[in-house]
Amino acid sequence: AQSVTQLDSQVPVFEEAPVELRCNYSSSVSVYLFWYVQYPNQGLQLLLKYLSGSTLVKGINGFEAEFNKSQTSFHLRKPSVHISDTAEYFCAAGFQKLVFGTGTRLLVSP
Amino acid sequence: GAVVSQHPSRVICKSGTSVKIECRSLDFQATTMFWYRQFPKQSLMLMATSNEGSKATYEQGVEKDKFLINHASLTLSTLTVTSAHPEDSSFYICSASPGWESTAGELFFGEGSRLTVL
Repeated sequence: AQSVTQLDSQVPVFEEAPVELRCNYSSSVSVYLFWYVQYPNQGLQLLLKYLSGSTLVKGINGFEAEFNKSQTSFHLRKPSVHISDTAEYFCAAGFQKLVFGTGTRLLVSP
Repeated sequence: GAVVSQHPSRVICKSGTSVKIECRSLDFQATTMFWYRQFPKQSLMLMATSNEGSKATYEQGVEKDKFLINHASLTLSTLTVTSAHPEDSSFYICSASPGWESTAGELFFGEGSRLTVL
């Protein structure tokens, strides 16, 4: 069985500041890891995914994440956020049948 | 990329009526689709796995007689909320995977359907 923990329910940040959204997972087998973004009243859009290989994964909109097996983490980062990055971010684990974390609301203010 | 579309995006119904939500894969065939439910400000909870040509597999605690799933073709799955009650009000999202090598393990999501039961 897999589980995903997102430690922060909400992260406020000023525009152009860096941000890190935390995600920890647990699994008895190797899993794929994902970050999705959800804008209000919309479905989910994939930001990036880790399957294997390089532990630093780059995604869309300037986001990147680093897989850390020893810490069982897959934190999402962006060096400089925009107002338009305000959204809900979900970390997920699995293969097609995904388990989601509880989500982190990123609030970017001017 | 793969496109999944849901309809309707919003629906309001009276208590006791049934509502059908459609999920279509537009540019790929999906033998499996997943239905999620999302409560306000909460995560996505997997309700069931829809299997083309066979019965859906429901997650523990999900009433199969309340949430009827039909996957009659490789591009269409439907979720019918029967005898809806206000507590069924939620955001329902479907997803599917095309099974392409380039999208291994990845899910593509529909736009979601917000159900409000009065």
